[in-house]
Amino acid sequence: DADVTQTPRNRITKTGKRIMLECSQTKGHDRMYWYRQDPGLGLRLIYYSFDVKDINKGEISDGYSVSRQAQAKFSLSLESAIPNQTALYFCATSAPTSPSTDTQYFGPGTRLTVL
Amino acid sequence: QKEVEQDPGPLSVPEGAIVSLNCTYSNSAFQYFMWYRQYSRKGPELLMYTYSSGNKEDGRFTAQVDKSSKYISLFIRDSQPSDSATYLCAMSAGGGNKLTFGTGTQLKVEL
Repeated sequence: DADVTQTPRNRITKTGKRIMLECSQTKGHDRMYWYRQDPGLGLRLIYYSFDVKDINKGEISDGYSVSRQAQAKFSLSLESAIPNQTALYFCATSAPTSPSTDTQYFGPGTRLTVL
Repeated sequence: QKEVEQDPGPLSVPEGAIVSLNCTYSNSAFQYFMWYRQYSRKGPELLMYTYSSGNKEDGRFTAQVDKSSKYISLFIRDSQPSDSATYLCAMSAGGGNKLTFGTGTQLKVEL
């Protein structure tokens, strides 16, 4: 079974709709991250959380919100989707100890299309 | 200028070739260096991790870091078609600081 799972894997939605992307992990990691990936721009950090009570903005948080429901669950919401939020979204996790605090493990991604 | 620069490719090589993938960076605080491999429609997977300068070898893969030149490399020996993927470099200053990724180099190994 995958250590980091994301649902849905693919989603097509319309401008203005609210959408939630979910991430679950069985790695026992405290730290979780949301990224988006766009051609030519690479991976960009949206939000990250170091534990259940800790939420931090990344470099491109505008238009997004997150919820850390439990150690193993981290959700990303688009309150009112717009076409330039069409991208591949990845959840990632990391542990504070091994092999470094900064090695991250990624889920399979959600391909989101906003029409 | 981006903190991390990586040639997007695509890079096409014959099977069995030695492949060299590179990244340059500008932040001298970076100490941890990683290479991720990403197959089409999949998430990035950690391939190599290196702390500070020097070389690290794992099977057909060698990661090299030259902090004085702010330059890191990934070498793949005896490349195989299964190595065809996008390779992302990533780095951080450590202590839980965020990772900064390169944009990735697309590699195709042809039969």
